[in-house]
This record gives sequence, C-alpha cells and structure tokens, in this order.
Amino acid sequence: GAVVSQHPSRVICKSGTSVKIECRSLDFQATTMFWYRQFPKQSLMLMATSNEGSKATYEQGVEKDKFLINHASLTLSTLTVTSAHPEDSSFYICSARGRGGEQYFGPGTRLTVT
Amino acid sequence: QQQVKQSPQSLIVQKGGISIINCAYENTAFDYFPWYQQFPGKGPALLIAIRPDVSEKKEGRFTISFNKSAKQFSLHIMDSQPGDSATYFCAATRISYDKVIFGPGTSLSVIP
Repeated sequence: GAVVSQHPSRVICKSGTSVKIECRSLDFQATTMFWYRQFPKQSLMLMATSNEGSKATYEQGVEKDKFLINHASLTLSTLTVTSAHPEDSSFYICSARGRGGEQYFGPGTRLTVT
Repeated sequence: QQQVKQSPQSLIVQKGGISIINCAYENTAFDYFPWYQQFPGKGPALLIAIRPDVSEKKEGRFTISFNKSAKQFSLHIMDSQPGDSATYFCAATRISYDKVIFGPGTSLSVIP
C-alpha cells in the first residue's frame, strides 16, 4: 500500500514552453501533497504544500506564478512549470501524506529544458 | 531551529560491516523521525521511522537509536550489503501538522 506515482518520469522541453507533471496517490486518499525539487547530490528542497480544494502554500523564494500547483482531487496533484528555462532543469518529486501522517514519495520526474 | 544536521556526508563500508549515520535536531516539537533511502534517479523511500517515546526501533538489519535529551538519532545498518549503497536522508517533523525537514544526506557505498 501507500503507492505514489508520477507522470511523466522524464520530459525534455524547449525553453519557453510549459510542462505539467502529475502526482497520484494510487491506493489512498491524500488531503495534503508536497512538491520537492532536488539538484544532483543535494537534499530535497520543498517547493510547496498542496491541500485538496485550496490554494497551495509556497516556500519562500519559490515563484508561485512560475510553478503552478493544482490539487483538484484527493488522489491527484499537478505541478505546471510555466515558461520553462534551462535553470528549471531538475528532478521534481512529489509526496503524499498518508492517514497516519507519514509521507510517501513518488518516483520523481526528470525535467530537462533545452 | 528547523534545521536537521546529518553526518557523515559520505561513508564507505566493507560488506558485512556496520554503517552508522548520525543526525541532530533542535526543535523539541518534532515528534516523528523518519529515514529515507534514495537510489540514483529514484524518489526517496521510507525506510524506518521512530517517535520520541522510544529509544530504539529495529526492523531487520536497520535500527534507529534515539536520544531525546541530546536531540540526536542515528541509523545503524547491520551486515551492510552492496545493495544498501544509496543516499540516506534523516528527517524530522511534527507528524500530520508540518512539512518534513530533511538532513543534507549521506552517500553510502558498501564495497565487496
């Protein structure tokens, strides 16, 4: 149980385009999901907290107009990177909070912006 | 006060040896301390977790030791295997309330 999926696993896009990443909790409902960014050999950096049916809470320094988060249902949250640039290339990981409060992570999405 | 410190940054252990990773925190409101294992190109996976009301938790070859007064906790991997080679993150949070605060990670290499 407690499986979180992400789609796509890898995406390459041209600079200036937008990319949407989906995060799904497959076997449990998650009122809260989290989006992280991870650079090579570094720890996870929390970008935002996503609560179902309400606006996401962004961490300091994260541009909410650039990283659009939608949490429309108890099993799905999406992250849209708008007008992507090469510096947005990174590993994006979502997690979902389970009933006991634990966080379960998705497999990650490798974004490359050319 | 939200920071979680972790050491060492990298660790090389012989197969069959014991791997030890240490973490320290400052916020006494934290009540849940998970460890995550991450392989390259994959998301972190919850390995084992502990709450501050116990001093030790063991699951298979993995043991967490917790020292509430010192605000420190550690992960011990017994009989380390090459398949254990990964990056390990300790973390801390107030479960169900707060975001998880991650340590900077430890890269473990288990050599045959």
